[in-house]
Amino acid sequence: DAKTTQPTSMDCAEGRAANLPCNHSTISGNEYVYWYRQIHSQGPQYIIHGLKNNETNEMASLIITEDRKSSTLILPHATLRDTAVYYCIVRVSGSSNTGKLIFGQGTTLQVKP
Amino acid sequence: DTGVSQDPRHKITKRGQNVTFRCDPISEHNRLYWYRQTLGQGPEFLTYFQNEAQLEKSRLLSDRFSAERPKGSFSTLEIQRTEQGDSAMYLCASSGRGLGSYNEQFFGPGTRLTVL
Repeated sequence: DAKTTQPTSMDCAEGRAANLPCNHSTISGNEYVYWYRQIHSQGPQYIIHGLKNNETNEMASLIITEDRKSSTLILPHATLRDTAVYYCIVRVSGSSNTGKLIFGQGTTLQVKP
Repeated sequence: DTGVSQDPRHKITKRGQNVTFRCDPISEHNRLYWYRQTLGQGPEFLTYFQNEAQLEKSRLLSDRFSAERPKGSFSTLEIQRTEQGDSAMYLCASSGRGLGSYNEQFFGPGTRLTVL
């Protein structure tokens, strides 16, 4: 699985959009970009994933560059409850592989009032 | 509650003792994972089950660690002769048919182990 690079920490004002970048320059053609987050003292929580098209769900939007070497997770209106560690993970999708997740250090997002 | 549950939530033990943790995945999920997380680090993969078969083990899983999933439902993780370096949060996750399909792993709250 390709490695990812994320900033160690970021701050965001409550109510503003939080834009979390991720570099994955060695991503392969069949690898998807996944985002999980971990709120303090809880297990990680799935947010969103995508291959090459931009994706949106009720939690966030995922913007993947055309060359697929980087992506941005967007939380459109951050709240204090979005304070967490956000992990960007690259792996092959579907049922044909183990699906194990390789976590990096992630980005600690602090949403401030 | 249809989520992943883990028991116990906290365990304090003395060095050299054996401990066992239990994970109950989401009922229709055939895939089950164990991860370990130490303070300030992301979770690290330990092992993977598909139904009752253990299909992958990390090099992190020394011979003191054993995991089972006897009927393809709940799983146990046992650590024998615990060491202080085993102190960590042990996380269980499941995925598969139904909720989330194979793309989304659902994590339990974890078992925090402290070895004195």
